[in-house]
Amino acid sequence: AQSVTQLGSHVSVSEGALVLLRCNYSSSVPPYLFWYVQYPNQGLQLLLKYTTGATLVKGINGFEAEFKKSETSFHLTKPSAHMSDAAEYFCAVTGAGTALIFGKGTTLSVSS
Amino acid sequence: EAGVVQSPRYKIIEKKQPVAFWCNPISGHNTLYWYRQNLGQGPELLIRYENEEAVDDSQLPKDRFSAERLKGVDSTLKIQPAELGDSAVYLCASSGGGNYGYTFGSGTRLTVV
Repeated sequence: AQSVTQLGSHVSVSEGALVLLRCNYSSSVPPYLFWYVQYPNQGLQLLLKYTTGATLVKGINGFEAEFKKSETSFHLTKPSAHMSDAAEYFCAVTGAGTALIFGKGTTLSVSS
Repeated sequence: EAGVVQSPRYKIIEKKQPVAFWCNPISGHNTLYWYRQNLGQGPELLIRYENEEAVDDSQLPKDRFSAERLKGVDSTLKIQPAELGDSAVYLCASSGGGNYGYTFGSGTRLTVV
């Protein structure tokens, strides 16, 4: 069985500040991990994914995430927040032969 | 390349009425998913298709929900009869090639009144 826990349903940062969105997973098989972003009234857009290989993954819009197996974590970071980063962010996990399982999401607010 | 296409974008119906959603996946993607996203929540899987076969429908409320994927391409999700609690966004996604690249459609926002 697989599951995802996103710590913090709402994160607020100032423009230019570090963004850190936390995600912990549980998986009985080697996990494939994803971060998606969702803007209001839009579908899900893939930010980045980890399948195999390098544990530090770089995605679009300056975001990156690091897979830490020992901590069962896949936290999302961005060095400097921009107003356009305000959105809902979802962490998700899958494994061989299974569908994506999503966390409950974290709303990111960015203030000027 | 066209993305995953869903229609309609919005639907408002009265409770006890039927409703259907349509999804056209990315060409060549063998796997198709229907997810339901309640307000303020993450998407939850309803059903997964491999070509025309439903391989995981354990979360589909079969008393009122049905789905089909004829010829392994387009898919339709139906609710009959709809209940107030069915108000949500219904997302379709497709994947293929083994790289776990899921592509989501824009979704259908259903409001049951």
